[in-house]
Order: sequence, then C-alpha cells, then structure tokens
Amino acid sequence: QKEVEQNSGPLSVPEGAIASLNCTYSDRGSQSFFWYRQYSGKSPELIMSIYSNGDKEDGRFTAQLNKASQYVSLLIRDSQPSDSATYLCAVNMFNFNKFYFGSGTKLNVKP
Amino acid sequence: GAGVSQSPSNKVTEKGKDVELRCDPISGHTALYWYRQSLGQGLEFLIYFQGNSAPDKSGLPSDRFSAERTGGSVSTLTIQRTQQEDSAVYLCASSLGASGIRGETQYFGPGTRLLVL
Repeated sequence: QKEVEQNSGPLSVPEGAIASLNCTYSDRGSQSFFWYRQYSGKSPELIMSIYSNGDKEDGRFTAQLNKASQYVSLLIRDSQPSDSATYLCAVNMFNFNKFYFGSGTKLNVKP
Repeated sequence: GAGVSQSPSNKVTEKGKDVELRCDPISGHTALYWYRQSLGQGLEFLIYFQGNSAPDKSGLPSDRFSAERTGGSVSTLTIQRTQQEDSAVYLCASSLGASGIRGETQYFGPGTRLLVL
C-alpha cells in the first residue's frame, strides 16, 4: 500500500465550479499535510499546508483535514482555466523531514 | 536571495555513463532534498540532508546512486553506470530545517531532465 494515495484523474470541471481533490494516507502518525500545484513541465509549488483537523481557507482554496479518517482534501472555488494543473498531496510526521508524495490528480478546468 | 537552482536543466547521456546533477539551495536553508519524478508520476524521495547530520539515504534506489553536500550548501547527486530506467526529472528542494517545527515548506528547483539513451 502506498503511503499517500490520490485519484490520478483527470478531473474535469467547468469554469466557475468547485473542484474537489482528495488524498488519503496510511500512516496515522502523519502530522503535516501539504498541497502542491505542478504545471506541466514545471516544478511543484506550495498552495496550502494544514496541520489540524478541520478547514483552512486561503482565498479560493480550502484545505480540509480529517485525521480520524486519514484523508485530506483541497477545494478550489470559482475554478479558473489557470488552475488546470496536477495537484500533489504530501504528508510527513512531526519532526521528521521525510515527505511522502502522492502521484497527483490532474485537474482540467474547461472555459 | 534567489530560489533553488539546479544544473544542468537537461542532460542526455548514453547507457553506462556516469552523470552528476547539481543543486544550489536557497541561502540559509539547512535542509535539502532530492526527488525523482518519472513521467506522469508523483515524487519519489531519494535522499535528505539536514545540516551536519548524517543524510537519510533510505530512498536511493540502488548503490549506483549517491549524493553529497559540501559545506552545508551545494549538493551533487551522482548516478553511476546509468540505465534507461534512470530517465526522469530529478528535483531538488530546500527548506529552513528548523528543528522541532512541523513539516516545513519545501521550495523546489526547476529540475534536471535526464534522458539515458
């Protein structure tokens, strides 16, 4: 079983809709959770980090964490074509700097 | 200063040759990571350096892979006797490396695209 699992997609949503990206992880000791966006041919860039159960909002992005169910999600409101990219979920344990990345979900936002 | 830099940006080599990939982290960042990303795949952890501590080499796929970090800054990833399956994008990332802090933000370099013919 992989440490971090994501649906590879592609996930297609119309412009203006809400895109919902999900990630599950296997290690209950995981403490820190990250969402990275990666455009084709480019390196990953951080969108959000979340450490506590519940929601964390930043602009059009909301990260949701449920440690009991071992999943973390990313909601993108008012999706734009420029949001079309692959979204990578990453997790690590507290005070350990080894990160496990999922294989990413490809998002297509159609104009 | 500037972000993480990597060189070369592209490398084409013949099977069996050795290659060296370089990473220059953000100034002041003590933590440095190497990842490998094959086409359409996620990031595969290779090795992690933190300050003067012994590196975490648990992700290196074989003894053909090695890495060093000189002076706590620049790092070189060396692949000996390259194989076609080594073809991938090799990404370097750095972070502040402050101990006792929850997983820190990693800043990625542009990557080196390696093609082994």
